[in-house]
Amino acid sequence: GIQVEQSPPDLILQEGANSTLRCNFSDSVNNLQWFHQNPWGQLINLFYIPSGTKQNGRLSATTVATERYSLLYISSSQTTDSGVYFCAVEWANSGGSNYKLTFGKGTLLTVNP
Amino acid sequence: KAGVTQTPRYLIKTRGQQVTLSCSPISGHRSVSWYQQTPGQGLQFLFEYFSETQRNKGNFPGRFSGRQFSNSRSEMNVSTLELGDSALYLCASSFRGTNTEAFFGQGTRLTVV
Repeated sequence: GIQVEQSPPDLILQEGANSTLRCNFSDSVNNLQWFHQNPWGQLINLFYIPSGTKQNGRLSATTVATERYSLLYISSSQTTDSGVYFCAVEWANSGGSNYKLTFGKGTLLTVNP
Repeated sequence: KAGVTQTPRYLIKTRGQQVTLSCSPISGHRSVSWYQQTPGQGLQFLFEYFSETQRNKGNFPGRFSGRQFSNSRSEMNVSTLELGDSALYLCASSFRGTNTEAFFGQGTRLTVV
């Protein structure tokens, strides 16, 4: 199966700082999503980004599928950005699909006031 | 547009009992997937259903089963509960289960005592 590695595992920032989270994957993908898990456990969609670059407010993401990585940028971080960020991919599986998302272990972000 | 609805939100069960969890997908979505999240194993895929057919199953014992109804609602069942089944169970909804964005419900937190 496909392997997904996220780095760093933990990140501590002061409010207002910028950060970059990385997701490396081991094979071709049909789908790549970034999620933020809120304190109650729900996965909140940040980006659906199998390739290219997208921006949403202070957040942006870039996926370079040919080099098998994706980056999530958080600018001017706020305390409400704290939580776990997950990258998840759908393996292309010889051009088809296995109809599942494979998750990385996540990055725990703590933003201090 | 309503999101993905999971019920119940919290459950406490005794070892040996069985439990049924429910997931109502976003209207128009025909794919429903289930994931288990534990501190030790992270987010792991359980199974995926599309138009009442299971297309993939994760590496879980046969005590874990699921089904999907004609209205796309899905249920998962865990029989003969073990302490290790304590976890957050997340349901994801998407239009077709591949090459498309997935949206997650708030989860069901199961505690086995």
